Amino acid sequence: QVQLQESGPGLVKPSQTLSLTCTVSGGSISSGDYYWGWIRQHPGKGLEWIGHIYYSGSTYYNPSLKSRVTISVDTSQNQFSLNLSSVTAADTAVYYCARYTYFGSGTYFDYWGQGTLVTVSS
Amino acid sequence: EIVLTQSPATLSLSPGERATLSCRASQSVSSYLAWYQQKPGQAPRLLIYDTSNRATGIPARFRGSGSGTDFTLTINSLEPEDFAVYYCQQRSNFLTFGGGTEVEIK
Repeated sequence: QVQLQESGPGLVKPSQTLSLTCTVSGGSISSGDYYWGWIRQHPGKGLEWIGHIYYSGSTYYNPSLKSRVTISVDTSQNQFSLNLSSVTAADTAVYYCARYTYFGSGTYFDYWGQGTLVTVSS
Repeated sequence: EIVLTQSPATLSLSPGERATLSCRASQSVSSYLAWYQQKPGQAPRLLIYDTSNRATGIPARFRGSGSGTDFTLTINSLEPEDFAVYYCQQRSNFLTFGGGTEVEIK
């Protein structure tokens, strides 16, 4: 059973960089069948895709966040990471990492971490 | 960007009733549409992928249908554990989620 776990600071100051790591267990991040993604959810709101990465390092970002987002992968640690720069209060959200799986026609998020709340405040 | 509009925002039903949730896309997403269920304090769970295929372990009372721009999630005979928020998601053009429909107990 694949498990994902987010880790990182729960509080980030405005203008700084939000950095989170997702550790994958129960499966290899280097498996060619999957991508690995980040999604966020503002308090009481819907879901927003941030981006995803293939184990080779190929990345795909939400155009609305692309200028501030970097997603990277560390296959030796079975982890992938999110950096979001120049944060403001609008970046306060629960951040989820998830596995993005090819199902034959489309790709969808089938395993999720529990989520971690990141608050942007001075 | 493809915008997904879900309706209604809230659906008030009793256990045993049928729930019909709608997801409309601003342009065709072919069949590349999924549905997720989210309960308070939990991560979303994949229910349906590619419009009509149930994910592993999802009961048969959940049924997805539609194509192009109009999609429906039907939950036959609501169980107490089905009261939650449901999101649709497309992956035809980048990736977007709908705003969600809350199915609440009447």
